[in-house]
Order: sequence, then C-alpha cells, then structure tokens
Amino acid sequence: GAVVSQHPSWVICKSGTSVKIECRSLDFQATTMFWYRQFPKQSLMLMATSNEGSKATYEQGVEKDKFLINHASLTLSTLTVTSAHPEDSSFYICSARAGREAGEQFFGPGTRLTVL
Amino acid sequence: GQNIDQPTEMTATEGAIVQINCTYQTSGFNGLFWYQQHAGEAPTFLSYNVLDGLEEKGRFSSFLSRSKGYSYLLLKELQMKDSASYLCAAMDSNYQLIWGAGTKLIIKP
Repeated sequence: GAVVSQHPSWVICKSGTSVKIECRSLDFQATTMFWYRQFPKQSLMLMATSNEGSKATYEQGVEKDKFLINHASLTLSTLTVTSAHPEDSSFYICSARAGREAGEQFFGPGTRLTVL
Repeated sequence: GQNIDQPTEMTATEGAIVQINCTYQTSGFNGLFWYQQHAGEAPTFLSYNVLDGLEEKGRFSSFLSRSKGYSYLLLKELQMKDSASYLCAAMDSNYQLIWGAGTKLIIKP
C-alpha cells in the first residue's frame, strides 16, 4: 500500500516557539493532504485540507495564522505551529489522498507535540 | 447537520465475534470507511463500502445499507491484538470524511 511519512515523530518545545511538521507521500503523488489533531481519548479532528499548489482550506475554529500549512509539491506538505502554547500539545496526524475525489486516505504515523 | 454515531466502548472475548455499528447522516454520500487505531498510533485503513451489501476481507467484514444510513464492522475469531479503537467515517458530497468518535474495543482472554 501507499506510504506516508511524518517527521518528527515527537517534539518537545518551549512555549512561544514554532514547530514545523513534515508530511511526505513516499510512493505516490498526493494531490490532497489533510492535517488532523487528536487529543487523548478523542477522535480525529480535521484541521485543514490542502491541495497541491493552492491555499489550504481550514476548518471552522482553526486559526490559519497559527497553523500554517504549505503544500508545495505533490509529495510534501508542512504544518507549522507558530508561537506554540501548552494547549497546542496534541497528536498531529497527516493523511494523503492521490486525487481530489479519490477514496482512501493514507495516514502518516503522527507527530506527538508537547509544549512546555 | 452531519453526524456519525458509534458506541463508545465494547468488550468481547478472544476467539469470539463482535459487531460494531455505525449510523451516519451526511450531506451527500460517497462511501463509508472503517479504520483501526491502536493507542498512540495513526489510523490504518480497514475497509471501504459505497454499495449496499457485505464486503469480506479475511477476519474482518463490513456492511453498508445506504437507505438506512447504517454500517457495521464485523470482526471474527477475535485476537488480543484486535484491541484498538475502530473509527467509522462517511465521505460527504464534497469528498470530505466525517469522522465518528471511535469505538474502543476491549478483548478479554
């Protein structure tokens, strides 16, 4: 099956710093990538959808200036958490889909962010 | 509004069969997904149904009734490693996945 990688797997940072998370599709071209956040014992919460070469579409309540998404190529999307605060500590997961309307999303392994 | 309902938690015995139900309400419908998620890990794909009926894949089967807005995931010959959360997700008319909260499945020896 298709493989999606995420880097880093986990990160600990100080409050006020910015953290960048990379999501790569390793063996297919991802026209669409998704960024999710998941708090402990809760379901996935979609943060934004990004299509290659265009601006990301953010879900209601997600601050686009705080969570910067760049989908610069068909194999790479980045999420930057700017001026991170302890309440941003969460499990961030990306997924990728080969087409805008294709079915299955392939998930990356996730990034656990802890903000001190 | 759009909504997915599934039980919060279920318990079953090793070697037995368990059925996890999911009901959905979405704006348009382009299929129903089931994912498995172990604690601390990302979800992994289990099944996709877009037509009515049962899709069997080894020990796991998934059923869909579009007219009833209903799906279930059937797990046979349960193993301890099947202990996980099972996420139901429906794809709406914009090809966006609407996620359920997940069903935590506990397998007892």
